[in-house]
Amino acid sequence: DTEVTQTPKHLVMGMTNKKSLKCEQHMGHRAMYWYKQKAKKPPELMFVYSYEKLSINESVPSRFSPECPNSSLLNLHLHALQPEDSALYLCASSQDRTYGYTFGSGTRLTVV
Amino acid sequence: QKEVEQNSGPLSVPEGAIASLNCTYSDRGSQSFFWYRQYSGKSPELIMSIYSNGDKEDGRFTAQLNKASQYVSLLIRDSQPSDSATYLCAVKAEYGNKLVFGAGTILRVKS
Repeated sequence: DTEVTQTPKHLVMGMTNKKSLKCEQHMGHRAMYWYKQKAKKPPELMFVYSYEKLSINESVPSRFSPECPNSSLLNLHLHALQPEDSALYLCASSQDRTYGYTFGSGTRLTVV
Repeated sequence: QKEVEQNSGPLSVPEGAIASLNCTYSDRGSQSFFWYRQYSGKSPELIMSIYSNGDKEDGRFTAQLNKASQYVSLLIRDSQPSDSATYLCAVKAEYGNKLVFGAGTILRVKS
């Protein structure tokens, strides 16, 4: 299995809703990441988990809350989002700090 | 100064030609360099990685690295219309597990 699986593929949520994005990989990768990508922009790093511990938080607002229940799963909990948070949310994983990242297909989030 | 810089393009080449994409980076201690291809509405796909100075070839793709000049390039030989996409240069910082992307170069291959 060489894939990173993200669910859901599309999500529309209101500003008062609580939702979660899910990411799963079974490649034995010990580092997992959340990126945010706006239209016509490069991916921007949000969070890095290494060996199931949060190692990097790129000053992301607290309305985004990451969670790594185990080495294969990564969640992003969303609460009280703003319309400007609408974007493609990408999960990725890597074997270690040397290798490139494998990205999932992303969740297209729209906040209304 | 941006950490990773690319010409945004679009770069237009005729089918069958060589497309040359360039990237410069600011962190002199960077050790790992990657090229991703991203089709519109899709996620980035890793196409090349390079770690030492020189050339690395994989099929129609050649990555070139010059650490002294802090320069990475990607050559695509025999360009096909299906190569039309945004190409993202990504550099892993010397410290910390963080991959930084350039803004991307739009490539258009005309048949």
